Amino acid sequence: AQSVTQPDIHITVSEGASLELRCNYSYGATPYLFWYVQSPGQGLQLLLKYFSGDTLVQGIKGFEAEFKRSQSSFNLRKPSVHWSDAAEYFCAVGHMDSNYQLIWGAGTKLIIKP
Amino acid sequence: NAGVTQTPKFQVLKTGQSMTLQCAQDMNHEYMSWYRQDPGMGLRLIHYSVGAGITDQGEVPNGYNVSRSTTEDFPLRLLSAAPSQTSVYFCASSYVGESFPTYNEQFFGPGTRLTVL
Repeated sequence: AQSVTQPDIHITVSEGASLELRCNYSYGATPYLFWYVQSPGQGLQLLLKYFSGDTLVQGIKGFEAEFKRSQSSFNLRKPSVHWSDAAEYFCAVGHMDSNYQLIWGAGTKLIIKP
Repeated sequence: NAGVTQTPKFQVLKTGQSMTLQCAQDMNHEYMSWYRQDPGMGLRLIHYSVGAGITDQGEVPNGYNVSRSTTEDFPLRLLSAAPSQTSVYFCASSYVGESFPTYNEQFFGPGTRLTVL
């Protein structure tokens, strides 16, 4: 079955350190790829998305993500995290097989150490 | 603009009871959807709508009904609540434009935490 995998349930990073959150998908053709963030007690907010073109996409709040077709991955990165980045991050995929309705990963909870 | 609003924020039901979760948006978005969020599973789509009078099923529609009589409102009805429906429910909306709806940013409400005893 087609799926979206976020291998890390929790990640702990020191403030100021770099961050990489992993996302892998199992769709054969290139799907549409998204990263959303959920702050505690809040709804989700779009960070960035990839449809086509340049495989390195920039988003809000200093985040970027790189699409790697050979690895079926769309990893989220930030060079230096801030305490306000503590949240849960969700990767999502839209594909013709799901009528472009988004299939979501299970999420990665980011914990920031002071 | 209030964005996407959901009521209630919290609800406790007994098995077999029915209720309606309310969702409204003031952004004139054509696309609206309902998700449930369960620990370790991410979001799962329940129902969605691409405009007034048009609804369709998502990944987990059983036990839920929706209708879309106006652009602004998209209520979710639980017909006979079961403990398996204990979850956090999110409503979202987005602009459709010339692309498929979910390509555009989905705006989420704050969620409704439902417990079924």
